[in-house]
Amino acid sequence: EAGVAQSPRYKIIEKRQSVAFWCNPISGHATLYWYQQILGQGPKLLIQFQNNGVVDDSQLPKDRFSAERLKGVDSTLKIQPAKLEDSAVYLCASSLEAGNNSPLHFGNGTRLTVT
Amino acid sequence: DAKTTQPTSMDCAEGRAANLPCNHSTISGNEYVYWYRQIHSQGPQYIIHGLKNNETNEMASLIITEDRKSSTLILPHATLRDTAVYYCIADSGSARQLTFGSGTQLTVLP
Repeated sequence: EAGVAQSPRYKIIEKRQSVAFWCNPISGHATLYWYQQILGQGPKLLIQFQNNGVVDDSQLPKDRFSAERLKGVDSTLKIQPAKLEDSAVYLCASSLEAGNNSPLHFGNGTRLTVT
Repeated sequence: DAKTTQPTSMDCAEGRAANLPCNHSTISGNEYVYWYRQIHSQGPQYIIHGLKNNETNEMASLIITEDRKSSTLILPHATLRDTAVYYCIADSGSARQLTFGSGTQLTVLP
């Protein structure tokens, strides 16, 4: 089966600019997640969707980050305006179901550098 | 999610079995033990998971002790491509926060 697709693979922007990341999950996976992974650390959950509804966005900095999954399939994550500390890899993952007996499958991420 | 403890690094000869241990002494009854690995510049890759019973798939075997306080991931015939950081996670399903910790750097030697 095709894996989780993410684009772009790399992005370099200046601080205060905006950026958007795109994710296409594995076909049939109802649950979609966005994680932020700072160099040398494990992934940190930003937001979890179940179909097109938000399950958890408690760790999403809502003053600058937004995410949507309008038709319950693809998702976009946006940062506006970006700060230097947003430099990280942004990982999208999907799972068949929301429960903890359903493995997460990750894309290869978008590496964001904010200068 | 319960805290997990893993050795920082391990080496394994190519073709031999790699046995990666993990301690999760405070794991609760509904937490699954998951193993993921991450190769440089790639996203984490799911390997295997289990609750109480030992599990096997095409990639690895997972041995969970009867008291569930520790587990071992077994790669039966390690190859150079298995060199990666391996993460053991106790997943309660709470927002899938997946506390990855520092993991074990497995280096497969030719």
